[in-house]
Amino acid sequence: SQQGEEDPQALSIQEGENATMNCSYKTSINNLQWYRQNSGRGLVHLILIRSNEREKHSGRLRVTLDTSKKSSSLLITASRAADTASYFCAPNDYKLSFGAGTTVTVRA
Amino acid sequence: GAVVSQHPSWVICKSGTSVKIECRSLDFQATTMFWYRQFPKQSLMLMATSNEGSKATYEQGVEKDKFLINHASLTLSTLTVTSAHPEDSSFYICSARDRGLTYEQYFGPGTRLTVT
Repeated sequence: SQQGEEDPQALSIQEGENATMNCSYKTSINNLQWYRQNSGRGLVHLILIRSNEREKHSGRLRVTLDTSKKSSSLLITASRAADTASYFCAPNDYKLSFGAGTTVTVRA
Repeated sequence: GAVVSQHPSWVICKSGTSVKIECRSLDFQATTMFWYRQFPKQSLMLMATSNEGSKATYEQGVEKDKFLINHASLTLSTLTVTSAHPEDSSFYICSARDRGLTYEQYFGPGTRLTVT
């Protein structure tokens, strides 16, 4: 399994602003998943995007996938304090490997 | 749907004792469960893959005799940390793959283990 690399490592934004983070990976994939982890908790599955999809929405989340560049992005619109968490991408499906993640802090 | 529970949520044990952590899929059947370990301010590290009815497969560097995994049913996997030492103190998280779905994995809330 391969792990994704999230960028930036940390992001601090004002409540109501948008937050964008990126994920890069090395080899071709069937799908890519994004997860959120609040401090001291397990991971919450946010969204799965398949290799034949370019964009997917779920509530305030928008995920894009560019297989030619081997990259994905996660956009959180109109951020809230509750969005403060670490976000991880996981390329492919069977065994998930996680990078360092992007730590997002939403300031009130 | 797709809820995974872990028990206990936290445990403190003395050095040299063994601790068992349970991972249950509450509303789906999981032929495969995964165990991860997370140290403070670090990412999750996959320890092993647990398949129902067969032996677990361990990642490189993970001692299978120290971290015993049993996946006796489609809804339960257990991780036993044997002869625990302070360096085993960590956050242990399991995940389960729904046999009815192809890719999604669902994570438990984690178990905080402290070995004194």
